[in-house]
Amino acid sequence: KNEVEQSPQNLTAQEGEFITINCSYSVGISALHWLQQHPGGGIVSLFMLSSGKKKHGRLIATINIQEKHSSLHITASHPRDSAVYICAVRDDKIIFGKGTRLHILP
Amino acid sequence: DAMVIQNPRYQVTQFGKPVTLSCSQTLNHNVMYWYQQKSSQAPKLLFHYYDKDFNNEADTPDNFQSRRPNTSFCFLDIRSPGLGDAAMYLCATSRVGGEQYFGPGTRLTVT
Repeated sequence: KNEVEQSPQNLTAQEGEFITINCSYSVGISALHWLQQHPGGGIVSLFMLSSGKKKHGRLIATINIQEKHSSLHITASHPRDSAVYICAVRDDKIIFGKGTRLHILP
Repeated sequence: DAMVIQNPRYQVTQFGKPVTLSCSQTLNHNVMYWYQQKSSQAPKLLFHYYDKDFNNEADTPDNFQSRRPNTSFCFLDIRSPGLGDAAMYLCATSRVGGEQYFGPGTRLTVT
């Protein structure tokens, strides 16, 4: 069974800081997802990765298949980025990490 | 434009009283998923459909049932809700092996 570990569990930073959230998994996968969940529950899919790097606005996601590791970066962080960020991996099913709670202070 | 729609957004039901949550999609995706998410926990997959092919997770209680009458709609039926079933219920859709698109969720309260 794939184990998905995220770090840190909680992160508080000042507006403008560069943010990195890490995800590691134990077994080979076909894809990795980064999701964002705001208070109130709705989940938004940010990225789906199977290799390399993707960028969307201030968000960058990278994955290293050999090391079984992915990172989500937020540049020029803003209070509206405050949310829970969830890493999920797909092997024969989707397995979710426990999430990283990010709080950006103005 | 909303692509995955869940109704209602908030549902209050009484202990033991059957409740149905609905999900609809405009993406024409052939896979639909139901997740249960309790406070501060990761979403837990309850079941999913590949087209009409129903796939139940081994640890999903029998109290939870699902129906998918057509590509666009999927329902989650909780036959006898208990206090432990209070949670956020998330619907998602995807193409096979593709990115999942989530609905806004239905928050269920059991009194």
